[in-house]
This record gives sequence, C-alpha cells and structure tokens, in this order.
Amino acid sequence: AQSVAQPEDQVNVAEGNPLTVKCTYSVSGNPYLFWYVQYPNRGLQFLLKYITGDNLVKGSYGFEAEFNKSQTSFHLKKPSALVSDSALYFCAVRDPRLTFGGGTRVLVKP
Amino acid sequence: DVKVTQSSRYLVKRTGEKVFLECVQDMDHENMFWYRQDPGLGLRLIYFSYDVKMKEKGDIPEGYSVSREKKERFSLILESASTNQTSMYLCASSGSSSYNSPLHFGNGTRLTVT
Repeated sequence: AQSVAQPEDQVNVAEGNPLTVKCTYSVSGNPYLFWYVQYPNRGLQFLLKYITGDNLVKGSYGFEAEFNKSQTSFHLKKPSALVSDSALYFCAVRDPRLTFGGGTRVLVKP
Repeated sequence: DVKVTQSSRYLVKRTGEKVFLECVQDMDHENMFWYRQDPGLGLRLIYFSYDVKMKEKGDIPEGYSVSREKKERFSLILESASTNQTSMYLCASSGSSSYNSPLHFGNGTRLTVT
C-alpha cells in the first residue's frame, strides 16, 4: 500500500527567505504526487502535481516542487516566502486512491 | 470554477443521533469523496463514489454510510454518532478517474458529538 510522510509538523521561516516543506513517499508503481494547501477554516486547494517528465514542477502562487526518484521525495519549495503563505500543507500520492501525509504547518513571520 | 458546497460549517450533535452531512458539486463530476481530517493524521478516506448509486469503502468506513442518488450530491451518514466521530469532514469531487486529476474540496463541516 502507498504511504506519504511529512517529517516536520511545523516549519517556521522569515518573510523573504526560502521555504521548503518536505515529503517522502512509498508506492509500488509510478508515483502520481500532489501538493495541497489549506488556509484557516477552508478546504484544501490544489497547488501542483507530478505525473511524469520534468523533475521540477511549477504550480500556483509561486510554488514549485522537486521530484527525486532515488530519494523517493517530493519537496515543496518557494524561493521567497510571504506572510500570506502561512497555512497547512499536505503532500499526497494517488495509487489509485489519494493518500495524504499528516500535514505540515507553515508559519511565515514578518 | 468548480464549486463543492457542504451544507453546514459547524454541527453539534448528541451521542446516538443519526447525522447527515450533505455535499453538492456543480461541475457534473463523476467522482466524489468523503474524508475526515484530524490533527497529525492528515486526511483519511471514509467512502467514495464513482457514479450514481455506486459506493466503495475507503480506509475508515466503520460507523459511516453514504448515499448517492443524484450525480451532484453525495451524503455522509453517521448511523449513531459517537464522540470519537468528532472531527472535520471534507467532501471532494473530481471529473476524471485518471490518476492525474486533482480533487476539488469543499470548505468542510466541523462536527462535534457530545
């Protein structure tokens, strides 16, 4: 069965600094990987996905993610974090059901 | 833009009550899902449906049932609510069964069972 791990419960970063949210996965076949973001009192919003092709995937709001097959990782990145990026981030893998990691809370301080 | 609407943002119910959580999507999506969200556990799939009147169990179906009589509506039913079902419930839909199709989520229903 597939699984997803987000090793950090919370990530703190200063505004303007790079942001990285870590994710590792385990699947039996080719991975279909997703990142979602959840703002307070809202549902999840789709950020980006990796299906095949280029290992660097660009998504919404300036986010990107790097797929690394040898390390079975799919880390979310943003070159310059904003206070408004403070939210809960979920990594997910679809094989065929969508399985979510436990979530990482990001706090961007001014 | 896809809209997934959950009828209640907050619900408070008593132990033993039968509880209905309603979800409607407006994009003619075939696939609909119910998740529960608990801190540290992420989202866990309760039930999903690939078509009208079809349903499949997810990872944690115990204590729940679902109904999909119309394509746009997917209801989650707690037959006899218990305190361990206090949680955030999220409904989602997707328009394709292909693996690369993202899910569209509603804003969630926070259920408290006392």
